Amino acid sequence: AQRVTQPEKLLSVFKGAPVELKCNYSYSGSPELFWYVQYSRQRLQLLLRHISRESIKGFTADLNKGETSFHLKKPFAQEEDSAMYYCALLSGANSKLTFGKGITLSVRP
Amino acid sequence: DTGVSQDPRHKITKRGQNVTFRCDPISEHNRLYWYRQTLGQGPEFLTYFQNEAQLEKSRLLSDRFSAERPKGSFSTLEIQRTEQGDSAMYLCASSAPINEQFFGPGTRLTVL
Repeated sequence: AQRVTQPEKLLSVFKGAPVELKCNYSYSGSPELFWYVQYSRQRLQLLLRHISRESIKGFTADLNKGETSFHLKKPFAQEEDSAMYYCALLSGANSKLTFGKGITLSVRP
Repeated sequence: DTGVSQDPRHKITKRGQNVTFRCDPISEHNRLYWYRQTLGQGPEFLTYFQNEAQLEKSRLLSDRFSAERPKGSFSTLEIQRTEQGDSAMYLCASSAPINEQFFGPGTRLTVL
């Protein structure tokens, strides 16, 4: 069965500091991984997906199949990055998502 | 607003009552998903529709839960004989094939 692990619940950093949000997965097939973000009082929305290999709002994430990881990184955090972040794995013919428990990122001024 | 909408946004009910939630997906999306999110957890998959056909149900979906998508457009999720453990945020998402899932704002259910 597929599983997504986000080992930390909270990360608090100062503005301008680097950020790394950890995500590890377990899946027997070829993984397709996503990061979703939920800002305060807003709905869950896609931040980035590994197959697009884009940088969104300064965030990047590289799929490491050897370490089964998909960590989210940003070199210089901004206050507006404060939000809840979820790592998710797409699986099965019906493309359902399996989410991690999420991590709260707090960026202090 | 052309995004996914859900109604109601909040529902408070007493244990044992039945509740029904509605989801209106983005109009051209043929795929529709229901997820449930409890405090401190990420969303968990409940069920999936492709057009009007319900193609997958999670083991989380007990016999008290039923979902429909009668014309391949909006969907309803009904919970019969609610229990306190049903208290959660119920999320709906829709997508076109191979595209990202777009989420609605959710319905927060509180069972007293």
